[in-house]
Amino acid sequence: GQQVMQIPQYQHVQEGEDFTTYCNSSTTLSNIQWYKQRPGGHPVFLIQLVKSGEVKKQKRLTFQFGEAKKNSSLHITATQTTDVGTYFCAVLLRGSQGNLIFGKGTKLSVKP
Amino acid sequence: KAGVTQTPRYLIKTRGQQVTLSCSPISGHRSVSWYQQTPGQGLQFLFEYFSETQRNKGNFPGRFSGRQFSNSRSEMNVSTLELGDSALYLCASRTTLAAPSYNEQFFGPGTRLTVL
Repeated sequence: GQQVMQIPQYQHVQEGEDFTTYCNSSTTLSNIQWYKQRPGGHPVFLIQLVKSGEVKKQKRLTFQFGEAKKNSSLHITATQTTDVGTYFCAVLLRGSQGNLIFGKGTKLSVKP
Repeated sequence: KAGVTQTPRYLIKTRGQQVTLSCSPISGHRSVSWYQQTPGQGLQFLFEYFSETQRNKGNFPGRFSGRQFSNSRSEMNVSTLELGDSALYLCASRTTLAAPSYNEQFFGPGTRLTVL
């Protein structure tokens, strides 16, 4: 079935360092979403990318969608302790609007 | 608007029992999806309901079922519980009034189910 691979699984950074997580698919994606889940919390929607080569920024977060629409990345500049959590990419199952296939997530820890 | 609510928040059951979890979506959201989250398998789609009809179903055994009511509230039921059913069960709702390509899902806090 459709899968999306996310790396790395874990990332430990010093506060102020940058962080990047990557999401890859073997098939072309219609769109890709990113979610953040704080420890003990639930996934919270960050952004949706739909266009080839799209780049969107939210303050220190930069999201990219690959030209071939098979990969995406989330980059955080100068991490803060508030960035701690697990970041998931998610794609829609082909033909579906409510069925998200999630990557395994990247768990980010930030050392102050 | 109030967010997605789920009840109960925590549940402890024993093997063989059944359980019913409830989800109230954001007002006006007619699509409700259910996900299971475990440390090993991550977030996995269970099913989606829209206008009281199941539209999609994930790869879970028939012990997992759900339904949606006319007010869009949804319930999921797991019968004959197994130890492996211990997980965080998340409900998510989304609007269907936006552009078809917009699929932001709003998650509830989840129900933590422990099967002993």
